[in-house]
Amino acid sequence: GENVEQHPSTLSVQEGDSAVIKCTYSDSASNYFPWYKQELGKGPQLIIDIRSNVGEKKDQRIAVTLNKTAKHFSLHITETQPEDSAVYFCAATPPSNFGNEKLTFGTGTRLTIIP
Amino acid sequence: DAGVTQSPTHLIKTRGQQVTLRCSPKSGHDTVSWYQQALGQGPQFIFQYYEEEERQRGNFPDRFSGHQFPNYSSELNVNALLLGDSALYLCASSFREGGGYGYTFGSGTRLTVV
Repeated sequence: GENVEQHPSTLSVQEGDSAVIKCTYSDSASNYFPWYKQELGKGPQLIIDIRSNVGEKKDQRIAVTLNKTAKHFSLHITETQPEDSAVYFCAATPPSNFGNEKLTFGTGTRLTIIP
Repeated sequence: DAGVTQSPTHLIKTRGQQVTLRCSPKSGHDTVSWYQQALGQGPQFIFQYYEEEERQRGNFPDRFSGHQFPNYSSELNVNALLLGDSALYLCASSFREGGGYGYTFGSGTRLTVV
């Protein structure tokens, strides 16, 4: 099955700087890669996702890049703000007849923005 | 518009007991998936329900079972609880015709087994 590794496990950046979180996956058939933000006491919230037919996707201060050859994808957050402090998870899933719900998650990155 | 709602929010059970967790999907969603999130770990896929049937399953024993009702709500049942079953149980819903992309998680049920 799919295996997703995520680095770093913790990341501290100054407010206004950029943060980068990296993930690698093992199953070359995986074609959907979402990123989730989880705040204390809440469920994961989708912040951005990318499918394997594109190499990059951007939404305001957040961007995701995908390298299918190397089987890795990254989350980039620019102009970080205190409210970006949270645990971030990457995930991957291969296609199936029943949709893309069977996600394999990374172990998470605890991002702390230093004011 | 209510998102995914789960109940109860917290639960304490004794080893060997059985537990039932409940989930109401987001309005317009017809597919429900369940995940287990141990402390400090990423969520792990348990199973997915669509049209009242289990469609996909992760690497969880048969002690974990579920059900989906005609109104799309779902239950997760765990029998013969073990200490290792202590975790946050997350429900996520999606719309089948949308391919399951970008589905929505609830806030979870924190289960503690003592």
